[in-house]
Amino acid sequence: KAGVTQTPRYLIKTRGQQVTLSCSPISGHRSVSWYQQTPGQGLQFLFEYFSETQRNKGNFPGRFSGRQFSNSRSEMNVSTLELGDSALYLCASSKGLAGSDTQYFGPGTRLTVL
Amino acid sequence: AQSVTQPDIHITVSEGASLELRCNYSYGATPYLFWYVQSPGQGLQLLLKYFSGDTLVQGIKGFEAEFKRSQSSFNLRKPSVHWSDAAEYFCAVVRISGGYNKLIFGAGTRLAVHP
Repeated sequence: KAGVTQTPRYLIKTRGQQVTLSCSPISGHRSVSWYQQTPGQGLQFLFEYFSETQRNKGNFPGRFSGRQFSNSRSEMNVSTLELGDSALYLCASSKGLAGSDTQYFGPGTRLTVL
Repeated sequence: AQSVTQPDIHITVSEGASLELRCNYSYGATPYLFWYVQSPGQGLQLLLKYFSGDTLVQGIKGFEAEFKRSQSSFNLRKPSVHWSDAAEYFCAVVRISGGYNKLIFGAGTRLAVHP
């Protein structure tokens, strides 16, 4: 069974631009969660989508948004990029809701904001 | 609030030596606990998990962890470390917030292995 895939793997953007990251979960998984990983803040939860609905959200500004499609694939969008948005963005999928089921992570998208 | 503490930021061991990585959590009920490993530039791989039942949990790559409620700990152990175990290790706990659960990670422990 294929694992969680994320595209693209690497991105370089400039301040003020916007970016869209994509995540394809493991087949049969209905929950997709997004995390931001930085050296200073560690791993921080962004949001979770389950059956196309946002179920949970972390403490990030409204510039960070996401959505989930009927095939469970998810996209995350960051608008008006700031230097501090440079990070590894990880996507994780699970069969059930993230808090009650095991999450499996993708390789991440490395975003660099110049 | 529920949280996870990994007291050791860096640990260095010799190949073949035993390993114990510490994890403490603060939580009022029986938590769901996880250990993940991350190699440089990669995502997180699940090593093992504890939901309930036997407090000694076996995972992949020869790792095990023991849930000790009295100490609020979930330490990761391996009897003999291999050079390929060099990576960053994260302990995580499910946290209930606003009626929803989410995974809260510790700061991580970076493991170096000397030949």
